[in-house]
Amino acid sequence: SQQGEEDPQALSIQEGENATMNCSYKTSINNLQWYRQNSGRGLVHLILIRSNEREKHSGRLRVTLDTSKKSSSLLITASRAADTASYFCATGDTGNQFYFGTGTSLTVIP
Amino acid sequence: EAQVTQNPRYLITVTGKKLTVTCSQNMNHEYMSWYRQDPGLGLRQIYYSMNVEVTDKGDVPEGYKVSRKEKRNFPLILESPSPNQTSLYFCASRHSPFRGYYNEQFFGPGTRLTVL
Repeated sequence: SQQGEEDPQALSIQEGENATMNCSYKTSINNLQWYRQNSGRGLVHLILIRSNEREKHSGRLRVTLDTSKKSSSLLITASRAADTASYFCATGDTGNQFYFGTGTSLTVIP
Repeated sequence: EAQVTQNPRYLITVTGKKLTVTCSQNMNHEYMSWYRQDPGLGLRQIYYSMNVEVTDKGDVPEGYKVSRKEKRNFPLILESPSPNQTSLYFCASRHSPFRGYYNEQFFGPGTRLTVL
């Protein structure tokens, strides 16, 4: 399976701190995407990074991609209680299949 | 409002009773997909469709059927549901599936299915 894995599985931080979560995957990719899921609800796209990019920013989000290590990280700066959610990475291959990781559950304590 | 809708949102059924979960999008997206989400396993792709009348198997297609007769609709059919299909199901859509043009997927709110 090409499924990715997020690390850590769960993360608890204080409001205002930074949160870092990592994603590892198994095979070559064309792009990697990060999604957020609030409890029991649909996923919301956060950011996409292509395989030829190394870093990307969007607001308080910073994503890095290291294709040699087959890994990506998502950094959320100055976290807020509203950032409490599960975060998933998803990889796209040369076809049209997508592979999601198992997710990191983030809790931001006010 | 641009959205993906699914119906029903919650369903409890019994083993063997055929059911259909509907999915519709109003964004004129070519690509649509179904996923199931299970604890500890993340989301796994069941089927996807690159356009009308074009469907392909994902990672876990066994026990499911799909059809794509119209661009906006992509129903998921369980001909003979079994308890191991108890799960949270998500439909998603995105623009053009052409290689080299990758973009975000828009997800529906989910359908929580319980098969007794």
